[in-house]
Amino acid sequence: QKEVEQNSGPLSVPEGAIASLNCTYSDRGSQSFFWYRQYSGKSPELIMFIYSNGDKEDGRFTAQLNKASQYVSLLIRDSQPSDSATYLCALGKDNNNDMRFGAGTRLTVKP
Amino acid sequence: KAGVTQTPRYLIKTRGQQVTLSCSPISGHRSVSWYQQTPGQGLQFLFEYFSETQRNKGNFPGRFSGRQFSNSRSEMNVSTLELGDSALYLCASRGGSLTGELFFGEGSRLTVL
Repeated sequence: QKEVEQNSGPLSVPEGAIASLNCTYSDRGSQSFFWYRQYSGKSPELIMFIYSNGDKEDGRFTAQLNKASQYVSLLIRDSQPSDSATYLCALGKDNNNDMRFGAGTRLTVKP
Repeated sequence: KAGVTQTPRYLIKTRGQQVTLSCSPISGHRSVSWYQQTPGQGLQFLFEYFSETQRNKGNFPGRFSGRQFSNSRSEMNVSTLELGDSALYLCASRGGSLTGELFFGEGSRLTVL
């Protein structure tokens, strides 16, 4: 079983819709979770992190964490074509010195 | 503030050769991590260095090695290259931020023929 599992997609949503990206993890001891965005041909960049159960909102992005279910998600409201990218879920181990990534979900937002 | 710099950006090698990749982290960042990215596998963790010491290591064979210098610059080496080593190798640095944010370089694209 992979440490971090994501649906590879592609996920396609129309402009203005809510995009929902999901991630599950196997290590119950994981404490911190991250969402990175990677545009085609570019390097990943951090968009959100979450440590506690519940929701964390930042603009159009909401990260949701459920440690009991070992599940973390990212919601993108009012999706824009510029949101089209691969979204990588990551968990931090050893005080975030060891970051493990999922394979990523490719999102396409259609105008 | 300069970002993470990786060299070379592109390289082509043949099976059996070895390769050395270099990474200069953001000034002041002491942690450097290396990842291998391939289609379908995503980012796979190779190792992480801090103050010249390898703190964490992923599940890669011993052909993959690395080191870090006193100025925090890091190198990784792959010996006896195999076709399956063709990938984008990403380096990321991290400072003292509690968020754990990784700052990635643009990567070194290795093709093994």
